[in-house]
Amino acid sequence: AQTVTQSQPEMSVQEAETVTLSCTYDTSESDYYLFWYKQPPSRQMILVIRQEAYKQQNATENRFSVNFQKAAKSFSLKISDSQLGDAAMYFCAYMLQGAQKLVFGQGTRLTINP
Amino acid sequence: DAMVIQNPRYQVTQFGKPVTLSCSQTLNHNVMYWYQQKSSQAPKLLFHYYDKDFNNEADTPDNFQSRRPNTSFCFLDIRSPGLGDAAMYLCATSRGGRGQPQHFGDGTRLSIL
Repeated sequence: AQTVTQSQPEMSVQEAETVTLSCTYDTSESDYYLFWYKQPPSRQMILVIRQEAYKQQNATENRFSVNFQKAAKSFSLKISDSQLGDAAMYFCAYMLQGAQKLVFGQGTRLTINP
Repeated sequence: DAMVIQNPRYQVTQFGKPVTLSCSQTLNHNVMYWYQQKSSQAPKLLFHYYDKDFNNEADTPDNFQSRRPNTSFCFLDIRSPGLGDAAMYLCATSRGGRGQPQHFGDGTRLSIL
C-alpha cells in the first residue's frame, strides 16, 4: 500500500523568509501524481501545486515550488517570501495513475512569524 | 464562482439519531468524494462516486452511506452516529481522468451529544 510521510508536524518561519516542507512517499508504481494542499484554520482545503511523476521538471506556482526526487521518493515544498496568509496546515498527497484516491500525509502546521 | 458547497457548516445531533450532510457543486465534475477529518489528522476517504458508480473504501463502517441523486448533489448519511463519529466531514469534487486535482468544500463539523 502507498504511504505518505511528513516528518515535520510543525514548522515556523519569519515573514519574507523561505521555508521548505518535507514529504516522502512509498510506492512501487512508476506512474502517479503528487500534490500539496493547504488548509488554513477553519477554511477550505485548496490545491497549492501538482506534480506528474513522469515529468522531471519541478512544478512551480508563483512563490511555491517543489523539489521532486523520484528515485528518493521525495517531494518537498518550498515557499519563498513567506506571507502571513501562508499560515496553514499543509498536506502532501499521492494519487496513483488511474485511481481517484488521494493518500494524504499527516500534515505540517506552518506558522509565519511577523 | 464555481464551487463546492456544504450544508450545514455545523451540525449537532444526538447519539444514535440519523443525520444527513449535503454537498453540492457547480463545477460539473464527474467525481464526488466524502472525507472524514478528525482534529489535527489527515482527511480519510470514506467513499466516492464516479458519475453514478459508487466506490466504498474497505474500512468505511457500514454506519456511513451515501447518495448521489444527480451530478450536482451528494449526501452523506450516518445511520446511528456514535461519539467517535464527531469530526469534520469534507466533500470534494474532481473531473474524471488522470491525476485530476480535487476541489474541496468548507466542510461540515459534526458534533454528537
